[in-house]
Amino acid sequence: EPEVTQTPSHQVTQMGQEVILRCVPISNHLYFYWYRQILGQKVEFLVSFYNNEISEKSEIFDDQFSVERPDGSNFTLKIRSTKLEDSAMYFCASSPGTGNSPLHFGNGTRLTVT
Amino acid sequence: AQSVTQLDSHVSVSEGTPVLLRCNYSSSYSPSLFWYVQHPNKGLQLLLKYTSAATLVKGINGFEAEFKKSETSFHLTKPSAHMSDAAEYFCVVTAQEYNNDMRFGAGTRLTVKP
Repeated sequence: EPEVTQTPSHQVTQMGQEVILRCVPISNHLYFYWYRQILGQKVEFLVSFYNNEISEKSEIFDDQFSVERPDGSNFTLKIRSTKLEDSAMYFCASSPGTGNSPLHFGNGTRLTVT
Repeated sequence: AQSVTQLDSHVSVSEGTPVLLRCNYSSSYSPSLFWYVQHPNKGLQLLLKYTSAATLVKGINGFEAEFKKSETSFHLTKPSAHMSDAAEYFCVVTAQEYNNDMRFGAGTRLTVKP
């Protein structure tokens, strides 16, 4: 069964550094998402992406964040200047459609900002 | 108001006994509802989904959930718990009023005692 894959599984970075989290969605899916889960807290929506542009974003997704689909397969989340509070598990997801189409999640990237 | 509320942060059952994980949602429109499971260091796996068809939904691993509009509930059940069911469970709602983005509950950690 096709899967969403995320790399790396764990990323450690220093405060103020830029990080790029990578995701390869399922190949025939059209909608892509990033969620994050701070340790001990709920899963939070960050951004959705369709047709090469952001379709929705949450309050968390400020100017420090950006997403890109640089080629036909990768979907990246960039954090320009990391803060301690960016430490979290970041999940990429994809789906074939919206509404009642379930999301397929990757295993996540654990980002630790020191 | 919270879009989805999981009433118990932690549920503990003995192996072989029934499981009940409670979820209430808030939506003015016809929602789609999902349960996801997250095993340690793993991504989010879809257990089951409700999308306005049958109100009793059967999922993987023997889980099922019943959509009750009058109670705005979508509780997850399993007749007999297995040790491998120990995980974090998330109730998720998506609806037009949420721009069809998925809104996660805070999660319920299920512990299964031998």
